[in-house]
Order: sequence, then C-alpha cells, then structure tokens
Amino acid sequence: DAGITQSPRHKVTETGTPVTLRCHQTENHRYMYWYRQDPGHGLRLIHYSYGVKDTDKGEVSDGYSVSRSKTEDFLLTLESATSSQTSVYFCAISGTGKNYGYTFGSGTRLTVV
Amino acid sequence: GQQLNQSPQSMFIQEGEDVSMNCTSSSIFNTWLWYKQDPGEGPVLLIALYKAGELTSNGRLTAQFGITRKDSFLNISASIPSDVGIYFCSYSGAGSYQLTFGKGTKLSVIP
Repeated sequence: DAGITQSPRHKVTETGTPVTLRCHQTENHRYMYWYRQDPGHGLRLIHYSYGVKDTDKGEVSDGYSVSRSKTEDFLLTLESATSSQTSVYFCAISGTGKNYGYTFGSGTRLTVV
Repeated sequence: GQQLNQSPQSMFIQEGEDVSMNCTSSSIFNTWLWYKQDPGEGPVLLIALYKAGELTSNGRLTAQFGITRKDSFLNISASIPSDVGIYFCSYSGAGSYQLTFGKGTKLSVIP
C-alpha cells in the first residue's frame, strides 16, 4: 500500500548545501508530519501541517523549514545541512476522528558529510 | 514538559517467551497508541487504546490503557523471530491529533 511515499529514500550531501525531502500522500489526509529518528532519542517531531499553507513547529525545528502548497505534498527543507542533521527522516499522515493513528512513510536516510 | 518513559530500552529473549514492555507519563492522556518498526521501515500501528482500563488484543499482542491514564503496557505472547524490531508507545492529549513518542523498546528474539 503506497498511501504515503517519501523521496529520496537515501541521500548523501555535503555540509552547507540545501536539501529538500518530499512526502507525498494519496489519502487526502489533513495532517502531515515530519519526524527525525536518532539512536537514543526515538522519534522527534520537526514540523507538522494541519492544512494547505498551515504549518507549525515541533520539538526540533531549528535548521528546518517546511512547505505545503497542496494537500498531497509536504516538503522538508534543510536550508544549510549540518552533520548534526544526519538522521533518518519519517513523514507521517493522519486523518481526524476517533481512528487517527498515524501512517508512516518508509523513511529517508540522510547523511551529511 | 510532559515526561514519557518507555522501558525497557532493549530486550533479548528466547523464541517462545512472553514479552512485556510499558510506558509511563507524568500527565494524563486520552489516547495510547503502540507502534512497531521493522528494520529499515517506518513504524506501523499495532494497537490503539482510547479509554482508561481498556484492554485490547491483536493476535499475540495485548495492550492496556492504565486506569490512572498515565501508563500503558504491551505484552507479546510466545514470541517469534518476526517480532524483532523497535516498539514505540505514543500518546495524544486532549483535543490534539498530535502524537508524542517514547524512545522505543528494541526487541531481539533468539531462535
């Protein structure tokens, strides 16, 4: 089931370069989220969106920006990548109502060298 | 801020053994969700709990929403090799669809 896809799956980039990760959903869900996963820290929220052009910061938003120009796409941008941003990034979507558990993408492994 | 403690951090068990892990918080929550992450993949929802005292099963998995609304546990019975992965608890507060995740319990099953 490809209700949510992330691209690229893997990326290596140099320190100081901009990087954009894409999350695409076909579920027409209102909410979209970007998390990063690091050993010892679990999943930490970077930014989230509650509608087109409506976004807000999460727990670890410094150095990241997001954009959502249409329902199906949520972009995460590292303006100037640093080694501390080497991580696995997950996008998630959720609907509303009682059964709103997240659906996660397969992740993007980003390495900043 | 809200504290969410998930334990244990990691477990090594023999195939066939039962497993128990839990999450505790410093605040009261409305929803507990348990996820499993297979290596190289995103987390997948296992069980959702919506009211205090609720006990829900999904195959060999059983989870309970603590009566105080500050804790939850997940049990896996008769573990098998494909149970290997990281298990996350998560919660949401009143009026929120945003989930906060524990740091995970890494489960290894020895055949």
